[in-house]
Amino acid sequence: EVQLVQSGAEVKKPGESLKISCKGSGYSFPNYWIGWVRQMPGKGLEWMGIIYPGDSNTRYSPSFQGQVTISADKSISTAYVQWSSLKASDTAMYYCARMHSNNPLAPFDYWGQGTLVTVSS
Amino acid sequence: DIQMTQSPSSLSASLGDRVTITCRASQSISSYLNWYQQKPGKAPKLLIYAASRLQSGVPSRFSGSGSGTDFTLTISSLQPEDFATYYCQQSHSTPHTFGQGTKLEIK
Repeated sequence: EVQLVQSGAEVKKPGESLKISCKGSGYSFPNYWIGWVRQMPGKGLEWMGIIYPGDSNTRYSPSFQGQVTISADKSISTAYVQWSSLKASDTAMYYCARMHSNNPLAPFDYWGQGTLVTVSS
Repeated sequence: DIQMTQSPSSLSASLGDRVTITCRASQSISSYLNWYQQKPGKAPKLLIYAASRLQSGVPSRFSGSGSGTDFTLTISSLQPEDFATYYCQQSHSTPHTFGQGTKLEIK
């Protein structure tokens, strides 16, 4: 069974750094793109970027380029998104999701449960 | 970026109704159009991919059509579990943008 299990909720202060994780199981982790999606409170879905764990090929949305870093460690089947300096506007639910194949044009077919990040002074 | 526009933004319907949600892309995306369902407090769920292909395990009352710039999601006979928010997404080119969502509510 394919599963994506995300790290737990975080409460941080503005300016702090953060790295959240997404561990995949039940499939060949290196061979499927994984992406990150933001959902701000009461709002829609925003595509942040994707990574191919096999070679760490990464593609970012221009809206998130330079704001976050997406990475993956295929040896432990885990993808990450990190911030070096959080802002209050980063408060959101963050989902990881696996793409349907090794094709970067594929949809997201499996999703993690979400990680709630709250940034408040 | 390719802009995705859904209509309507919200919709009230009754059990058993046939419902259609539309999604328009700002440029041609061939058939690289996906539909997701999201219920409150839950992760999105893939319903339809490649415009018309039903994801495994999704009931056949869901169907999708379209190509190029105009797409539709149809639910043939609304069931209680279908009341949710629906999002389209293009996967033709990065960033794979989502529509703003359509909230389907019980009338």
